[in-house]
Amino acid sequence: GAVVSQHPSRVICKSGTSVKIECRSLDFQATTMFWYRQFPKQSLMLMATSNEGSKATYEQGVEKDKFLINHASLTLSTLTVTSAHPEDSSFYICSARVDSIYGYTFGSGTRLTVV
Amino acid sequence: AQKITQTQPGMFVQEKEAVTLDCTYDTSDPSYGLFWYKQPSSGEMIFLIYQGSYDQQNATEGRYSLNFQKARKSANLVISASQLGDSAMYFCAMRDLNSGNTPLVFGKGTRLSVIA
Repeated sequence: GAVVSQHPSRVICKSGTSVKIECRSLDFQATTMFWYRQFPKQSLMLMATSNEGSKATYEQGVEKDKFLINHASLTLSTLTVTSAHPEDSSFYICSARVDSIYGYTFGSGTRLTVV
Repeated sequence: AQKITQTQPGMFVQEKEAVTLDCTYDTSDPSYGLFWYKQPSSGEMIFLIYQGSYDQQNATEGRYSLNFQKARKSANLVISASQLGDSAMYFCAMRDLNSGNTPLVFGKGTRLSVIA
């Protein structure tokens, strides 16, 4: 089946530094990638939608200059959290559209802790 | 706009019993898909079951079945013969099927705890 590999699974970084999260589609071409954020004991909230070769579309309230999304190829989308602060600590997970009735496959998620 | 409502923050069930997790939805789209995902403590999202808005029969996948009541806009998940490994967060989600690349919209989730 379609697999999205997400790395790193866990990262701790210092306040003010940047962190890059990668999502790779291993056996299919992901023209669209969705990025979600999940705070503890809460639901998945859509942050942005990225389409290969074009600028990402951000949801209301999500700072595009802080959460940089790049989708330069059909198999790789990245989310960079710039100048991270403790309030950015969260679980980030990507999801790609696949060509099946079920529609989506998810990465395994990245737990970001900013200290 | 689409909206998913899960009113049960937490549920307990005895091992080997059946449990129903509630989900209601709201949409103006005539064609939509309903999904259930399981999220264990590791965080991964595990797809469980799918129901299309035009499907005549309720979906079933092993121990999972979806009680789809279109007029009531409900899509409850039924887990039969609960196992300890079923303890996890469960999310109901939906998306519009007419638009090509729309994201899933999630409910707040229900935490299921299976008791031995």
